[in-house]
Amino acid sequence: DVKVTQSSRYLVKRTGEKVFLECVQDMDHENMFWYRQDPGLGLRLIYFSYDVKMKEKGDIPEGYSVSREKKERFSLILESASTNQTSMYLCASSSPTSAKTQYFGPGTRLLVL
Amino acid sequence: QKEVEQNSGPLSVPEGAIASLNCTYSDRGSQSFFWYRQYSGKSPELIMFIYSNGDKEDGRFTAQLNKASQYVSLLIRDSQPSDSATYLCAEYYGNNRLAFGKGNQVVVIP
Repeated sequence: DVKVTQSSRYLVKRTGEKVFLECVQDMDHENMFWYRQDPGLGLRLIYFSYDVKMKEKGDIPEGYSVSREKKERFSLILESASTNQTSMYLCASSSPTSAKTQYFGPGTRLLVL
Repeated sequence: QKEVEQNSGPLSVPEGAIASLNCTYSDRGSQSFFWYRQYSGKSPELIMFIYSNGDKEDGRFTAQLNKASQYVSLLIRDSQPSDSATYLCAEYYGNNRLAFGKGNQVVVIP
């Protein structure tokens, strides 16, 4: 079974703090993704990576950056957290050879005060 | 940005009935579609994917793809209370990316 894990289930941070969200997958998948999910807005892609040290902007990259130093690990960084970044953050991974299916981690619910 | 539309409001079905969900897409060339289930407070989990026109069955779930009319459906037969969740439709649109609909909530009434 594909396993995607995220470093925290719940986080509370203050405005202006630098926030790190980490995602690890154990299936040797090339592709990894960060989404945020908000009521009424659905899943929106922030960034994705198709290889180590490679990254591409998704639909809403502003205020975020990412890092992929190892194949299994993909980090999302909020450089200076703001209240409008309060959301559920979901990491996913996929392989180009496995029917493009994305497998999701359990999610991190972030509250920025 | 790709658009995948799931326009129906919450769907309430009695236990044992068939729940029917629809999703429309805008790109006639789209090839691959996915249905995910998401329980409240949890992450999406894959139910099934479909590439070919027609029906694909997996247990109580049937996905239907109609490329001419640009819609994909999910039928849940013999609905159970455990099927109460939000169902997300997704479309693959290249470069390893999926576009997700906003989801349809299903409530199965015992």
